[in-house]
Parts: sequence; C-alpha cells; structure tokens
Amino acid sequence: DTAVSQTPKYLVTQMGNDKSIKCEQNLGHDTMYWYKQDSKKFLKIMFSYNNKELIINETVPNRFSPKSPDKAHLNLHINSLELGDSAVYFCASRFTGGSSGANVLTFGAGSRLTVL
Amino acid sequence: QKEVEQNSGPLSVPEGAIASLNCTYSDRGSQSFFWYRQYSGKSPELIMFIYSNGDKEDGRFTAQLNKASQYVSLLIRDSQPSDSATYLCAVNLGGTSYGKLTFGQGTILTVHP
Repeated sequence: DTAVSQTPKYLVTQMGNDKSIKCEQNLGHDTMYWYKQDSKKFLKIMFSYNNKELIINETVPNRFSPKSPDKAHLNLHINSLELGDSAVYFCASRFTGGSSGANVLTFGAGSRLTVL
Repeated sequence: QKEVEQNSGPLSVPEGAIASLNCTYSDRGSQSFFWYRQYSGKSPELIMFIYSNGDKEDGRFTAQLNKASQYVSLLIRDSQPSDSATYLCAVNLGGTSYGKLTFGQGTILTVHP
C-alpha cells in the first residue's frame, strides 16, 4: 500500500494554464507538507497543514493555493503557470505527537511539473 | 550564510571505502537533524535522524552531531555502488514547531567499483 500518494506523477502544460496536484496519505499522520525541488535539486518547503489548519506558509507567489479538506488530504492548485514553476513538487507527511523517533517526514513519489 | 549548508560534491569514493558527508547549520537552537537519501528521479527517503550530541549508528551508517560546532555528518562504511545517490541533510532549525525541515542542497555521492 502506498503511504503518501500524489497525482498526477507527470504534468506538462502551457504557460498561463491552471493546474492542481493532489496528495493523500494513509499513515494516520496529522501534518502534511508541500515541498518544491528545483532543477538544482534544492528542496524547499512551501506549505504545511496540521489537521486542516495552515501552519506554514513560506514566501510563495499567491498563484499557489493549498487546500486541505481533511488531515489525510492536501492539494495544491497553481494559477497562471509560469516557466519558473517547472519543478518536482513533493508532498510529505508526519505525525507530530508520540516519541521523537516517530516524527519523521515521509515523502510521496513527487509530481514533475513542466511548463512550456 | 545558508541556513543548512552541504558540499554539493560530487564526492567519489571507491567501493569498500568510508564516505564522509558533512553538513553545517546556522541556528544554534536547532533540535533535530535528519539524513535523507535521494536516488535520481525518486523521492527522498530517511536514512537516519539524530537529536543528541555524539554518534548514532545504524548498520553501515553513523550520524555524528556536534551542536557546539553546529555540525552534523554522515559516515557510510563499506560503501557500495548502490549507495550512489544524493544525500540531503535536513534540520528542524531553531526547533520550530510542526517539524518544518530546512534542507541543504545535497551532496552527490558516487561509489565506483
């Protein structure tokens, strides 16, 4: 069973379009994240939700809007796509309670977005 | 100064050698430190985490933490070609809540037969 699953895995689209990426986790975690990995492999946090509440909102263009309908799901909608948005977007989750050893971040497989 | 800094490499070691990967971080109040491995085209996977000063061993991997020097390292003993990947250091800078991890730029490791 996939623990953190993202769809779609690949997304190719034109500049100016709007697209969404979806993420679901079945680990029982209470916190979910979106990370962006650019062409230089630098992994940078974008957003985080804890039990449907936005808790981390980094300096990201407001064309990016996350939504979390429940603690198992986190979606990312991107408006007016630009060339610079091309990257791999990783969803991740973790459980913030319990022992420290349990609080590790688990990543999804990534969604590769290419903007033409 | 970058918040979490790694030597991007590439680091090349022969099979069977010890690979040493280093990471420094900016916030002295940081509490949690993680090493992730990322194969090309794949997602990061956790190798080890460390919270206390000193060494932590898990199989061929040893994480070393020195909070006074703001330095964390990963040693890979008996390196194998299958260890060839990008290694990402991640830090919960300043012990921020909700586990926000800041990643270094990664070190590319190549283990040659």
